[in-house]
Amino acid sequence: SQQGEEDPQALSIQEGENATMNCSYKTSINNLQWYRQNSGRGLVHLILIRSNEREKHSGRLRVTLDTSKKSSSLLITASRAADTASYFCATDAGAGGGNKLTFGTGTQLKVEL
Amino acid sequence: DTGVSQDPRHKITKRGQNVTFRCDPISEHNRLYWYRQTLGQGPEFLTYFQNEAQLEKSRLLSDRFSAERPKGSFSTLEIQRTEQGDSAMYLCASSSRIRRTGELFFGEGSRLTVL
Repeated sequence: SQQGEEDPQALSIQEGENATMNCSYKTSINNLQWYRQNSGRGLVHLILIRSNEREKHSGRLRVTLDTSKKSSSLLITASRAADTASYFCATDAGAGGGNKLTFGTGTQLKVEL
Repeated sequence: DTGVSQDPRHKITKRGQNVTFRCDPISEHNRLYWYRQTLGQGPEFLTYFQNEAQLEKSRLLSDRFSAERPKGSFSTLEIQRTEQGDSAMYLCASSSRIRRTGELFFGEGSRLTVL
């Protein structure tokens, strides 16, 4: 079953603009991760934020986490056409480790030239 | 390090046939996961192994599905008596318990179409 929802389901922007995607989840977590998937391909890990962190940056990516609201956001700044892909949040809620992830439903991002 | 590889990448079969997918994880990773992804949805967890031990199975993994990791290296996922509802992308991922970074490394997936 899916852990939660992502919003919006689809997003279309112009190159150079920023893209923001939101993720909500249902249970307590150890960490939350964001992955990217190009059409028909596997998923690629982008960034991980632990439950005791509130914000994290990696290159053009900025992730925030609000555990009180059980929500996270991913911001991609200065988007490029190559950023066109589906983006998924995933939560690690395992008590004993194991790194089993539960994925959201994804946001389809299209960056137009 | 060549990453996670999956074989075959595409499989078309008729309903009722058996299919088997293979996953070769990153060599030093001791954890291996199988996920299923249908069109427009996020991946759904099926099962995971630590070394050769299958530690967790989802309710999605009906008795027609079986996964093995006999020597703690590669893994196979077999679907018996396939149904049209089994059509999906089957994704394999691996991770390292030792590194404890928490991220999963995914293969390119095996797409199954059941006619």
